[in-house]
Amino acid sequence: KNEVEQSPQNLTAQEGEFITINCSYSVGISALHWLQQHPGGGIVSLFMLSSGKKKHGRLIATINIQEKHSSLHITASHPRDSAVYICAVFQGAQKLVFGQGTRLTINP
Amino acid sequence: NAGVMQNPRHLVRRRGQEARLRCSPMKGHSHVYWYRQLPEEGLKFMVYLQKENIIDESGMPKERFSAEFPKEGPSILRIQQVVRGDSAAYFCASSSPFDYSYEQYFGPGTRLTVT
Repeated sequence: KNEVEQSPQNLTAQEGEFITINCSYSVGISALHWLQQHPGGGIVSLFMLSSGKKKHGRLIATINIQEKHSSLHITASHPRDSAVYICAVFQGAQKLVFGQGTRLTINP
Repeated sequence: NAGVMQNPRHLVRRRGQEARLRCSPMKGHSHVYWYRQLPEEGLKFMVYLQKENIIDESGMPKERFSAEFPKEGPSILRIQQVVRGDSAAYFCASSSPFDYSYEQYFGPGTRLTVT
């Protein structure tokens, strides 16, 4: 079993839909990253959080440390949101452990 | 402030050759991390370096792979005698020693193809 599990692995939705991607982890962590990887392959950090909730534009990330669970939400989804979304947790000093990614496709 | 830079962006090597991947961290960042993404797989940690020191190399294959981060210049990931299974995207990330959130900033990656 992976230490970081994401669901779903693939998600296709229509433009405008509300999107939720989930991340569960089994290790103790100090913080969690949500990352976005576009088809070109580059990786962008969306959020880093260790408690509560953060919002940036149409993106919202929440984390529940007790339940070892985080969610990434996208409101009013758009085709340009199509990408792979990756959850990663800090394990130990500064080592990141990654989920397998969620491939999101938003159709116009 | 330039982001994390990696070069080359694409590298093709024949089996048995050496591959050298370079990573220049963001200005002011002295912590560098290397990650590998095999085709259709997730990212995996390889090594964490600070200037002139390897802090954690628990994800590095035991043979053929080495990494350094000298006092001056970029961090180098070196793969000797490459094999087809080394074909992957290699990402570098950096962080600041003064940012206690340890947030990491990723480079664009180097895509290595071994023929």
